Amino acid sequence: QKEVEQNSGPLSVPEGAIASLNCTYSDRGSQSFFWYRQYSGKSPELIMFIYSNGDKEDGRFTAQLNKASQYVSLLIRDSQPSDSATYLCAVSTGFQKLVFGTGTRLLVSP
Amino acid sequence: EAGVTQSPTHLIKTRGQQATLRCSPISGHTSVYWYQQALGLGLQFLLWYDEGEERNRGNFPPRFSGRQFPNYSSELNVNALELEDSALYLCASSLYSQADNEQFFGPGTRLTVL
Repeated sequence: QKEVEQNSGPLSVPEGAIASLNCTYSDRGSQSFFWYRQYSGKSPELIMFIYSNGDKEDGRFTAQLNKASQYVSLLIRDSQPSDSATYLCAVSTGFQKLVFGTGTRLLVSP
Repeated sequence: EAGVTQSPTHLIKTRGQQATLRCSPISGHTSVYWYQQALGLGLQFLLWYDEGEERNRGNFPPRFSGRQFPNYSSELNVNALELEDSALYLCASSLYSQADNEQFFGPGTRLTVL
């Protein structure tokens, strides 16, 4: 079992819709959870982090964490074509090590 | 505020050679991390340096090594290059004192081994 799992996609949504990206992790001791966005040929850009159960909102983005289910999600409201990218889920398993999923490719069509 | 910088942008080497990649962290950040992103694979953790010391290492052979200098910049060395070392190498930095471990990435060095 991979430590951090994501559906590779692509996830296709129309402009203006809500995109829902999901991530599961295996280490119950994981403490911090991150979402990065990576455009093709570019480096990852931090969007949000969350470390408490529940929701965390930042503009059009909402991160959701359920430690009991070992599940993290990212919701993007009012999706724009510029949101088309690969979204990486990362989990901090301790000792400053981030474990990344392989990413979900999101395509937002005009 | 300047972000993480890396050099060179691209590096082409032949099998068996050595490669040296460089990284400068965000000003004030003391921790530097190295990741490998091979085609079709996720980011794989390579090394973490803080205050000049190697603090953690991923599942990579010893021919992957590095160091951190007194100004917190870092160097990644890959010896005896193999074809499968071709990848994007990303450097990230953070404040070690920050419990949530936000890491900020540089633009990467694309290493091609022929």
